[in-house]
Amino acid sequence: EQQVQQSPASLVLQEAENAELQCSFSIFTNQVQWFYQRPGGRLVSLLYNPSGTKQSGRLTSTTVIKERRSSLHISSSQITDSGTYLCAMEPTEGADRLTFGKGTQLIIQP
Amino acid sequence: AQTIHQWPVAEIKAVGSPLSLGCTIKGKSSPNLYWYWQATGGTLQQLFYSITVGQVESVVQLNLSASRPKDDQFILSTEKLLLSHSGFYLCAWSPYTSQNTLYFGAGTRLSVL
Repeated sequence: EQQVQQSPASLVLQEAENAELQCSFSIFTNQVQWFYQRPGGRLVSLLYNPSGTKQSGRLTSTTVIKERRSSLHISSSQITDSGTYLCAMEPTEGADRLTFGKGTQLIIQP
Repeated sequence: AQTIHQWPVAEIKAVGSPLSLGCTIKGKSSPNLYWYWQATGGTLQQLFYSITVGQVESVVQLNLSASRPKDDQFILSTEKLLLSHSGFYLCAWSPYTSQNTLYFGAGTRLSVL
């Protein structure tokens, strides 16, 4: 069973539109992270959000533990935001076993 | 400032041949180190982690092995490559025991033919 489900699989937006990415988990977790994978493959950590709402620049993540889900909101999207966004979780803190979702491919058009 | 360097950038290898991929972290003592793998079009999976020299834990069995011969070095290897080993390999480090702060290398793209 896929432990981390991401939706949508792909999303095409116009520049300046907002993007909403979703992540759901098959188990309860309070160790949720969001990553950005560049077209070449390199991964960049975006936000670590175990619960509640966290913001970093134009990125806002909301994690609701009891509903086993997390979201990533990108406001005023830019062409350079294009790429794949991965959600990941650890079943418990310090378990050292990070499980990733398949990702959402975001394409921002001019 | 800390830096992470992965090598090689890309490899094309024959089935049955050996493989060695490397990762070096500079500017940070005793980092926690991690190997991840992503098949083309697949989901990123954690393979190994190490919290100290000489100690490596396996997360996913893929007929690969990992070693940490020095504090700043993490090596991924196998004696016999399979077609299924193709994909993208990422090394990362964290200053903490949890993976809530990760810094990734640029990755190695491996094609097994």
